Amino acid sequence: SQKIEQNSEALNIQEGKTATLTCNYTNYSPAYLQWYRQDPGRGPVFLLLIRENEKEKRKERLKVTFDTTLKQSLFHITASQPADSATYLCALWDSGTYKYIFGTGTRLKVLA
Amino acid sequence: EAEVAQSPRYKITEKSQAVAFWCDPISGHATLYWYRQILGQGPELLVQFQDESVVDDSQLPKDRFSAERLKGVDSTLKIQPAELGDSAMYLCASSLERETTDTQYFGPGTRLTVL
Repeated sequence: SQKIEQNSEALNIQEGKTATLTCNYTNYSPAYLQWYRQDPGRGPVFLLLIRENEKEKRKERLKVTFDTTLKQSLFHITASQPADSATYLCALWDSGTYKYIFGTGTRLKVLA
Repeated sequence: EAEVAQSPRYKITEKSQAVAFWCDPISGHATLYWYRQILGQGPELLVQFQDESVVDDSQLPKDRFSAERLKGVDSTLKIQPAELGDSAMYLCASSLERETTDTQYFGPGTRLTVL
């Protein structure tokens, strides 16, 4: 069956460290993968899109990698700040249904 | 900066009642999405419009849910009758077109509680 897996447990890290979140998928072959941020009680906000032929994408303190062999995307936040605390969702493009499928998200808490 | 508007923000209803949610997408966005997000899970697409036409409603429980976008601008999602299992956040999003690289802009959502 098709699955998208993100760490269900919250990730706690110390301010200033690099946070690394994982998105693993099974039985998908996404050409595109997106990462979103979602604050409690709010809608998701788009952060980054990476294509299957791109190994890495950066935006300010954010970095995304996409390994189609491992079927995995990693999302990094460098020099993390308490304001980065939120839930981060990955979404991958399902060409079979022509839509993005979202993972369950990982809750990140950056401790001051 | 333009935003997707949704109302109401919160709705409490009793089971078997009818509820309706409204969404106004960013001006000029042809594609509109309705998602349902259960607590602790990711958003699940219920229905997708391209202008006024439904292009995907495969996950919409059509026996009780309906959605329309009559003039290809704002949209309404209705549930009748509501069931306890419908308690969730209902998110509306819009994008310029239905392209793989188009960014989806989400509204603040409507939190539905069915008692």
